Amino acid sequence: GQQLNQSPQSMFIQEGEDVSMNCTSSSIFNTWLWYKQDPGEGPVLLIALYKAGELTSNGRLTAQFGITRKDSFLNISASIPSDVGIYFCAGQLGSNTGKLIFGQGTTLQVKP
Amino acid sequence: NAGVTQTPKFRVLKTGQSMTLLCAQDMNHEYMYWYRQDPGMGLRLIHYSVGEGTTAKGEVPDGYNVSRLKKQNFLLGLESAAPSQTSVYFCASSPRGAGNQPQHFGDGTRLSIL
Repeated sequence: GQQLNQSPQSMFIQEGEDVSMNCTSSSIFNTWLWYKQDPGEGPVLLIALYKAGELTSNGRLTAQFGITRKDSFLNISASIPSDVGIYFCAGQLGSNTGKLIFGQGTTLQVKP
Repeated sequence: NAGVTQTPKFRVLKTGQSMTLLCAQDMNHEYMYWYRQDPGMGLRLIHYSVGEGTTAKGEVPDGYNVSRLKKQNFLLGLESAAPSQTSVYFCASSPRGAGNQPQHFGDGTRLSIL
């Protein structure tokens, strides 16, 4: 089946540093989503991307939908301790079932 | 402001026991989903429903059954629990299945099978 390869698997950074993570796939997706999961909670949507090449920001977060529609990246600028969590990319295929394929997640730790 | 509510939050079962996980949403969403989350594997879709009375298989449906008798509820059943079903289970809902209507998740049910 379809797979998303998300990297890096984990990151340990200093507060104030910028962070970058990405997802790649062998399949073409119509939509890319980035979620964040805090400990003990469900994933929460951060950014949604709907068009190839689209670059979207949400505060300190910026994400891009790759031109080939097979990849996406998420950048976090000037990290703060509350950025700690697991970040997931998810891709949606062309059907209207809403089915998502998730990446394996990037665990982010921020040292104050 | 409940959103998606999952019950129970925790459960420990013995191998062979059965149980039902309940997901309730108060947003009048048409679509609902059940996922399982295992370490290092992200979320994998078990079953989903595109409307009341309809269900369909996802990526990892074996060993699970679902029902959507009411629009607001989506039940996930384990008929004979196995240790391999130890996981964190998440329910999600969305207004429709289109990409511009992203899924909203509950806080999960942590299930351990001994």
